[in-house]
Amino acid sequence: GENVEQHPSTLSVQEGDSAVIKCTYSDSASNYFPWYKQELGKGPQLIIDIRSNVGEKKDQRIAVTLNKTAKHFSLHITETQPEDSAVYFCAPYFFGNEKLTFGTGTRLTIIP
Amino acid sequence: SQTIHQWPATLVQPVGSPLSLECTVEGTSNPNLYWYRQAAGRGLQLLFYSVGIGQISSEVPQNLSASRPQDRQFILSSKKLLLSDSGFYLCAWSLGTSHSNQPQHFGDGTRLSIL
Repeated sequence: GENVEQHPSTLSVQEGDSAVIKCTYSDSASNYFPWYKQELGKGPQLIIDIRSNVGEKKDQRIAVTLNKTAKHFSLHITETQPEDSAVYFCAPYFFGNEKLTFGTGTRLTIIP
Repeated sequence: SQTIHQWPATLVQPVGSPLSLECTVEGTSNPNLYWYRQAAGRGLQLLFYSVGIGQISSEVPQNLSASRPQDRQFILSSKKLLLSDSGFYLCAWSLGTSHSNQPQHFGDGTRLSIL
């Protein structure tokens, strides 16, 4: 079956520094790789996604990089701000099961 | 633009009582619809998904059921709630394509507490 591992489970970063969260998946046929941000008491919100035909995508302070050979993709947040504090989930699409499978989440805390 | 609504936002129910949570989507047609449950401090578990009216797929055996009586309405139900049904229930939608490798858009959830 599908397997998704997300690391680290918790991350504390000084405001202004960068944060990196890594997601490892098992299905080599996966072709869609989104990241979601969940604030307290809210539903997850899509913040960035990438498809398998590109290796990197950037949107202002947020970027996602994909290594299909190694089967992992990472979320990069630069110049972190207090509002970046949240739980982040990766959710790779598994072609065989035709659904997104969510990782266990990373709690990111930005220290002012 | 598309919007998704879930209600109620919070719900406290006694063990053995029935449940009905409703989710509606506006601004799109024939979406894929999803129900997830999230335990405190944990990830999301997919409970049900639907690719069309009356079409429900169940991901895990459980005390819950889902129905889709209209194109943009998704309902999560139970006849008799258990303590283990407590959690944060999230509805989501995505574009209705043949494969689900599309972004999913979530509502703000219902926090269900069983006493």
